[in-house]
Amino acid sequence: GIQVEQSPPDLILQEGANSTLRCNFSDSVNNLQWFHQNPWGQLINLFYIPSGTKQNGRLSATTVATERYSLLYISSSQTTDSGVYFCAVEGANFGNEKLTFGTGTRLTIIP
Amino acid sequence: DVKVTQSSRYLVKRTGEKVFLECVQDMDHENMFWYRQDPGLGLRLIYFSYDVKMKEKGDIPEGYSVSREKKERFSLILESASTNQTSMYLCASNSRGGWGQPQHFGDGTRLSIL
Repeated sequence: GIQVEQSPPDLILQEGANSTLRCNFSDSVNNLQWFHQNPWGQLINLFYIPSGTKQNGRLSATTVATERYSLLYISSSQTTDSGVYFCAVEGANFGNEKLTFGTGTRLTIIP
Repeated sequence: DVKVTQSSRYLVKRTGEKVFLECVQDMDHENMFWYRQDPGLGLRLIYFSYDVKMKEKGDIPEGYSVSREKKERFSLILESASTNQTSMYLCASNSRGGWGQPQHFGDGTRLSIL
């Protein structure tokens, strides 16, 4: 199946800093989503972005499908940004519609 | 907004019990999914369903079964619960499309098997 790797696994930043999270995948994709899992375990959809660039407030994401990677940018970090960020993809060549998740990046924002 | 509702936020059961986890979505989605999440392993797909009474095994189906009698409801069943099934369980749904459609998740059920 398709492989998904996220980096870095852990990131600790001071409040106000900017960060870039990376997601590499091993094959063409139909679907790529970024999620934030908050301390209560809820998975929040951030972006649905199989290609191109999207922005939502302080967050933006870019997927370069031809080079098989996606980046999530967080600017002016706040403590509420802490949690685990997951990238998940649906491979285009595997004949089904299931998502494969990376193992996540744990972001900790220090006040 | 899409709403995916899981029946319990926290659940404690005993080894050997039959356990039912329920999930309901309100957007008439064709596809529904059950995942489990464990530290260091991310989310892993247990089963999914693309239509009523249809099911497909995911990556880790052993020890689980599922039921989809109505389009909006997808149940995960632990036939005889074991301690290694202690985990966070997440349900998701999306609409079927020629190209991928975003999945929407419930709040999760933290299941402890004693």
